[in-house]
Amino acid sequence: EAQVTQNPRYLITVTGKKLTVTCSQNMNHEYMSWYRQDPGLGLRQIYYSMNVEVTDKGDVPEGYKVSRKEKRNFPLILESPSPNQTSLYFCASKGPRRPEAFFGQGTRLTVV
Amino acid sequence: AQKITQTQPGMFVQEKEAVTLDCTYDTSDQSYGLFWYKQPSSGEMIFLIYQGSYDEQNATEGRYSLNFQKARKSANLVISASQLGDSAMYFCAMREGIYNFNKFYFGSGTKLNVKP
Repeated sequence: EAQVTQNPRYLITVTGKKLTVTCSQNMNHEYMSWYRQDPGLGLRQIYYSMNVEVTDKGDVPEGYKVSRKEKRNFPLILESPSPNQTSLYFCASKGPRRPEAFFGQGTRLTVV
Repeated sequence: AQKITQTQPGMFVQEKEAVTLDCTYDTSDQSYGLFWYKQPSSGEMIFLIYQGSYDEQNATEGRYSLNFQKARKSANLVISASQLGDSAMYFCAMREGIYNFNKFYFGSGTKLNVKP
């Protein structure tokens, strides 16, 4: 089954403790992206990647890092999480044949 | 300036009636794509419909149609014959550049409640 898989689905952590949210897709898509969703703001793009080793900032990259060492994986790294990074995070991928992006199930992160 | 504006935070519609969700966009690109996604209470993002800026006909997918008015920069979603399962958050989105999918902009969403 074609899918984008994020882990974990839920995470509660403390301020300053480094964490990684993984994202993996099995569709051989070149494009992958991370978003955060906050009430009243919709989804905002954090980072995107056009291919392996090619990444670029979205609209809200501060406090986040990404890497794209393999085509299927695009982890999101929070080196020193803060409470304002409490949010619902989505990973998405897109292939060349369809215009839409496929989204993962989301990761609800709480930073206390 | 906001790239995507959805002015209806919440809407109610009676089951079996049609409903229009508003979306306006802002871009100076000639090539762009417009999307609608549905987010039920379970949280996943479900793609509904797509309209390319050069498409002359309004896009339709089953009960969903996109009322594309290029001069007005609007891309309203029309849901015909609403069902209880249509109750969800709906997001309008845009990417600029047909062949170079880079930045993708979402509106703030409209929460639709379908009443029995």
